[in-house]
Amino acid sequence: QQQVKQSPQSLIVQKGGISIINCAYENTAFDYFPWYQQFPGKGPALLIAIRPDVSEKKEGRFTISFNKSAKQFSLHIMDSQPGDSATYFCAASGDTGRRALTFGSGTRLQVQP
Amino acid sequence: EPEVTQTPSHQVTQMGQEVILRCVPISNHLYFYWYRQILGQKVEFLVSFYNNEISEKSEIFDDQFSVERPDGSNFTLKIRSTKLEDSAMYFCASSEWQGTEAFFGQGTRLTVV
Repeated sequence: QQQVKQSPQSLIVQKGGISIINCAYENTAFDYFPWYQQFPGKGPALLIAIRPDVSEKKEGRFTISFNKSAKQFSLHIMDSQPGDSATYFCAASGDTGRRALTFGSGTRLQVQP
Repeated sequence: EPEVTQTPSHQVTQMGQEVILRCVPISNHLYFYWYRQILGQKVEFLVSFYNNEISEKSEIFDDQFSVERPDGSNFTLKIRSTKLEDSAMYFCASSEWQGTEAFFGQGTRLTVV
């Protein structure tokens, strides 16, 4: 029940295209859903996060869509750039049970020029 | 911009030896965490620390692991008797409060030979 399932495992997108990464969770006690970006040899860096009281949050080219009833959330990267090529992790945490972040398995994004 | 710093960046140790990984969390943060990432896999939670005691730990964090805040700035992870399977990237993170943005350090790559 602590799992966060992430798909796809890898994604290739053309420059200027939209990258979409999906995550699903089971634990209804989760109330914080961040996305992290990780470059090789570096630590995860917080990209954007959402709480379940809103269905969408946008910051620049990055948007989180959140569907509470389906227990799913997704990251959309608009106008994808080669510099966006990285591994993206969704995560979740909550007030009860596991309160630390539970990470998804990661999506390796490659944006081709 | 404040950041989490970790030392060393790479540690090679012989199986059975003790290692101490060091972290300096962001100064006004109250929660500290250790995560690990085996090469190519997802980020896994080890332990969280608040008010000078462990607040949560995972199944991975067994008796061979311990954490300590020896002074006002450092946060350490000790592995008592390293095994080959402890080889991984270890990330320290900190957050102002539980369930808020967690900031990760650059990681320590631990190689057990």
